[in-house]
Amino acid sequence: DAKTTQPPSMDCAEGRAANLPCNHSTISGNEYVYWYRQIHSQGPQYIIHGLKNNETNEMASLIITEDRKSSTLILPHATLRDTAVYYCIVRTSGGAGNMLTFGGGTRLMVKP
Amino acid sequence: GAVVSQHPSRVICKSGTSVKIECRSLDFQATTMFWYRQFPKKSLMLMATSNEGSKATYEQGVEKDKFLINHASLTLSTLTVTSAHPEDSSFYICSARATSGRVLYNEQFFGPGTRLTVL
Repeated sequence: DAKTTQPPSMDCAEGRAANLPCNHSTISGNEYVYWYRQIHSQGPQYIIHGLKNNETNEMASLIITEDRKSSTLILPHATLRDTAVYYCIVRTSGGAGNMLTFGGGTRLMVKP
Repeated sequence: GAVVSQHPSRVICKSGTSVKIECRSLDFQATTMFWYRQFPKKSLMLMATSNEGSKATYEQGVEKDKFLINHASLTLSTLTVTSAHPEDSSFYICSARATSGRVLYNEQFFGPGTRLTVL
């Protein structure tokens, strides 16, 4: 699976949009971009994933560049409960192993 | 949907004892489950892949005789830390890959984690 690069930490004001970048310049054509988050002392929570088109769900939006070498997770109106470590992972969808390889992630701190 | 439970959520044990952690998929079946461990302020590290009805596949550096994995049914995998020592203290997290049920097929869902403290 391709390696990802994320900033180690970010701050965001409550109520503002949080934009979390991820670089995945070695992504291959059949690899998806996945985002998970982990709130302190809990298991990771799935947020969103996409292949090449932008995606939106009730939690967030995912913007993938045209060359697919980077993406941005957008939390449109961050709340204090969004404080967590956010992991960007690229992998194929499916397959016998289907394991997720976690990098360092971005520690997002939402401040009042 | 897509709920994965772990039991216990927290355990404290004496050095030398064995501890069993259960991972259950509550509303879907999972032929494959994964076990991770996480040290404070570090990322998750995959320990092993558990397949229903067959032997687990361990990542390099993980002792299979110390971390026993059993995946006896499509909804349950167990991790037993044998002869636990203080250095085994960690946050253990499982995930289950959905293969049936009203959830995203083939996606992974994580349990809430088990915090093990070995005295």
